[in-house]
Amino acid sequence: AQKVTQAQTEISVVEKEDVTLDCVYETRDTTYYLFWYKQPPSGELVFLIRRNSFDEQNEISGRYSWNFQKSTSSFNFTITASQVVDSAVYFCALSEGLSNDYKLSFGAGTTVTVRA
Amino acid sequence: GAVVSQHPSRVICKSGTSVKIECRSLDFQATTMFWYRQFPKQSLMLMATSNEGSKATYEQGVEKDKFLINHASLTLSTLTVTSAHPEDSSFYICSATVDSYEQYFGPGTRLTVT
Repeated sequence: AQKVTQAQTEISVVEKEDVTLDCVYETRDTTYYLFWYKQPPSGELVFLIRRNSFDEQNEISGRYSWNFQKSTSSFNFTITASQVVDSAVYFCALSEGLSNDYKLSFGAGTTVTVRA
Repeated sequence: GAVVSQHPSRVICKSGTSVKIECRSLDFQATTMFWYRQFPKQSLMLMATSNEGSKATYEQGVEKDKFLINHASLTLSTLTVTSAHPEDSSFYICSATVDSYEQYFGPGTRLTVT
């Protein structure tokens, strides 16, 4: 069964629009970690955020913000006022300590294209 | 800090030959290193987990004899694709971790088998 679901395969927006990427996860662990990574065309994964299961506070970092809701097992990511440089594939990932030795389970990824 | 390098970044080899990919943690000692494979337009799939001085643990469906992993030190892990075939062409990414809570990723190696 898929542990991390990113239902949106591709999103295309015009520059300055906001874009929200959905991530739904599944785990039985009470302690786990959620991540978002950006993969530009160069291929290198860029770490964006890590959130542990006990910290449900939303976070904002510049134009990026994250909404973590345990009640719906979701960890959504919003890019505000998108720019062309935001074009990339974005992966949501789950790390489970007890049941999976902290291995990362990646979602399928969402390709974001920002048009000028 | 927490920089992971991979070498080579790109490699082209002929079918039937073997190719070695190195993964190094440059400024920290990694307790564990991971190897991932990514086909075009797909997600990262974990191939194996490697701990220094012990045998790698392979994920289900990954051939141990095909993908040899050696973790010689706390800063170096190598992946050797033996008798490579065109279907082994892929993007291989390693990561390294100190505390298991966060993995630091290398830039990846693009393998093309002709």
